[in-house]
Amino acid sequence: GDSVTQMEGPVTLSEEAFLTINCTYTATGYPSLFWYVQYPGEGLQLLLKATKADDKGSNKGFEATYRKETTSFHLEKGSVQVSDSAVYFCALSSSNTGNQFYFGTGTSLTVIP
Amino acid sequence: GAGVSQSPSNKVTEKGKDVELRCDPISGHTALYWYRQSLGQGLEFLIYFQGNSAPDKSGLPSDRFSAERTGGSVSTLTIQRTQQEDSAVYLCASSLIHNEQFFGPGTRLTVL
Repeated sequence: GDSVTQMEGPVTLSEEAFLTINCTYTATGYPSLFWYVQYPGEGLQLLLKATKADDKGSNKGFEATYRKETTSFHLEKGSVQVSDSAVYFCALSSSNTGNQFYFGTGTSLTVIP
Repeated sequence: GAGVSQSPSNKVTEKGKDVELRCDPISGHTALYWYRQSLGQGLEFLIYFQGNSAPDKSGLPSDRFSAERTGGSVSTLTIQRTQQEDSAVYLCASSLIHNEQFFGPGTRLTVL
């Protein structure tokens, strides 16, 4: 069945470091891909999304490119800030599965000054 | 506009009691999802409603858990005979088909 596998954390980076959080997926058909973020004490919110191959989602300096050939949707940011400390979830949704969502286990990021 | 709302925000109950958690989705959203998030853990899918179709209940952990969605809008998640391991944050989300989910703030359930 459809699934998402994301890099296990926790990840600790210094401010201004480069961030990559890996996400790979297994899906039949052509899913939409998402990154959600959960800041401490808050609910999940959408960070970015891509709905077809080669699309690049971007928001708040974060980017992720939908790579069908490698079934990946890695999250990147060139220079992280302390305020980026949060848990990041990769997710997919596919019409083949009735629009069901599949989430990764989440990756905790801590950025230190 | 109004987002997804959940009530109560916090619920403390005694082991063995029943609890009801409510979710008000965004108006017009046809899909509604319930998840559970234990401390420091990822999202555990519980149940999914899509329009008038039969719900996907494949994630419900036991027959003590049930959910309904009345009139295609409000949903109630019921946990009967609560156990301490049911303690978690219960999240509700809604979406239009083929679009991202919008999450509510969650209900923090504590079973003593």
